[in-house]
Amino acid sequence: ETGVTQTPRHLVMGMTNKKSLKCEQHLGHNAMYWYKQSAKKPLELMFVYNFKEQTENNSVPSRFSPECPNSSHLFLHLHTLQPEDSALYLCASSQVLAGTSTDTQYFGPGTRLTVL
Amino acid sequence: AQKITQTQPGMFVQEKEAVTLDCTYDTSDPSYGLFWYKQPSSGEMIFLIYQGSYDQQNATEGRYSLNFQKARKSANLVISASQLGDSAMYFCAMREGMDSSYKLIFGSGTRLLVRP
Repeated sequence: ETGVTQTPRHLVMGMTNKKSLKCEQHLGHNAMYWYKQSAKKPLELMFVYNFKEQTENNSVPSRFSPECPNSSHLFLHLHTLQPEDSALYLCASSQVLAGTSTDTQYFGPGTRLTVL
Repeated sequence: AQKITQTQPGMFVQEKEAVTLDCTYDTSDPSYGLFWYKQPSSGEMIFLIYQGSYDQQNATEGRYSLNFQKARKSANLVISASQLGDSAMYFCAMREGMDSSYKLIFGSGTRLLVRP
């Protein structure tokens, strides 16, 4: 595998279900990100992990719970979601270099989530 | 005020012709980075090109070039010799500063359709 992979690619879940999204990066990067892309809205940053430490939580509801066990893996645990949470969830990774703004984020293919 | 503005919701271009996708940005930070991503219907965000605020020359990557006009705060993407596979959503994004904030702020995107 190369680049950033995400599983599953598609997920349909009920509001009472618990599910997890998985992201894995094979680029040796030290930072990982979760984004949400809803229809007709700009991409929204949800969480940032740098060296496995969460450095950003962009006012995300607690029904979304991230986990970063190591620098290559990132999970998004989902529970009691709402229909408005239906969206494309994108994972990204980058190599953060202190004192620069040049690190490029590389994205996975996304998980298309539908909440019924 | 919006940080990243893409004023063209949709664009058409004839195959083999060049097209310019507009992007303006707003920041008071002297250090920032500008990115363009392509998102085909499959969902993956594909990195195209990067321009740093201190870069003296406009960035180029193959058929992609960035028309960077710092005083006007614009960073337009130019695609030369358009191909049918260029049909996709295109997003402009900005990262501000060189601190530990790794946020990429995205515009609302431009949908490009290449006509045969």
